[in-house]
Order: sequence, then structure tokens, then C-alpha cells
Amino acid sequence: SQKIEQNSEALNIQEGKTATLTCNYTNYSPAYLQWYRQDPGRGPVFLLLIRENEKEKRKERLKVTFDTTLKQSLFHITASQPADSATYLCALAPGGFKTIFGAGTRLFVKA
Amino acid sequence: EAGVAQSPRYKIIEKRQSVAFWCNPISGHATLYWYQQILGQGPKLLIQFQNNGVVDDSQLPKDRFSAERLKGVDSTLKIQPAKLEDSAVYLCASSPSERGSTDTQYFGPGTRLTVL
Repeated sequence: SQKIEQNSEALNIQEGKTATLTCNYTNYSPAYLQWYRQDPGRGPVFLLLIRENEKEKRKERLKVTFDTTLKQSLFHITASQPADSATYLCALAPGGFKTIFGAGTRLFVKA
Repeated sequence: EAGVAQSPRYKIIEKRQSVAFWCNPISGHATLYWYQQILGQGPKLLIQFQNNGVVDDSQLPKDRFSAERLKGVDSTLKIQPAKLEDSAVYLCASSPSERGSTDTQYFGPGTRLTVL
């Protein structure tokens, strides 16, 4: 069956370090993969989209990689700040319909 | 640009009662989505509209859930009768084009439903 897995345990890191979050999927061949940020009590906010023919994408302190052979995406936040503390969700849209979200990974950045 | 609006923000009902949620997407956005997010899980798509037509409702429990998108703009999601397991946050999202889920989705703040 199709599955998206993200680290279920929270990630705790020190301010200034790089946070790396993982998204693994099985039984999909997605054309796109998206990362969203969700703060408590709020809806998800789009961060980055990476296509299957792109290995890496960057936006300011964010970097996403997409390895379709490993069926994995890595999401990096460099020079992390306490304000980066949130839940990060990866999402796939196989066939362009029915976006499927992972359960998310909670990130805590300590000052 | 105004974001996606949802109301109410919170709702508490007893099981077997009915409830309705309202969503006003970003102006001009063709695609509208309703998601259910249970605590500790990611959002699960319930229904996707493109303009006023349904693109996907395969995960909508149709015996108790219904949704409509009037004139391709606002949308309502109804639950009747509610069950305890319907306690969740109901998120509405919209996206600008008609290409569907490959677009960036803009989410509203959600409605937190508690069924007692």
C-alpha cells in the first residue's frame, strides 16, 4: 500500500545548527513533492515544491533534496532559529490529484 | 490579498448532532479542498472541487459527510450525524489554477471540532 513516513519523534536542535528532516515514501511515483510548515492552531503554509527531475531546490535558509531512486526527500534548515520551531509536513500528489500528507515532524530549536 | 477564511473557528457538539463549516477561498482560486486533520496526524483530503464540480471525494464518508461549493466560490462541509471519531480540525485550502494538487495550496486557519 502507499505510505509516507516522516520522523515521528520530535527533533531537538541548538540554535545555529542545521536541522535535517526526512520524508520517505513507498509505492508512489510522484511528479512533485512539497514541504509545508504548520504552527499550533494554524493551517499549513507552503514552503517549497520540488519536481521529480530536480535533485535540489533552495530558498533562503531552506534546502530540499529529492531522490526518486531512494524514494526520499530531505529538508534542511541552515542556521536554525527558535522561530523555526514548528511541525514540518511533506506532501505528495501522485498523478496530480489527491494530495497526500505525511504526519509531520515537530522541530524544536533551542536558544 | 485576503487569505482563506473559515468559520467557525471552534465548535463543540454532542454525538449524533449535525454541524456545518464554511469556507471562503482566496478570490479567483479555481480549486478548493477540504481536509480532516486528527491530532498527531497529517491532513487527510476529504473532497476536492474544481470550480463547482467535484474532482475527488473518494475519502469522504458519504453516509454522514456532505459538501458543496456554491457558484464555484464559497463552500460548506456538513456532518450529520456526528460521531466521536469526527473530532478533528477541518481545514479548507484553495489553489489558483485548475491543475489540481500539484499547485501550491493556501490553507485557512481551520475549524476545531470536538464531539462529546
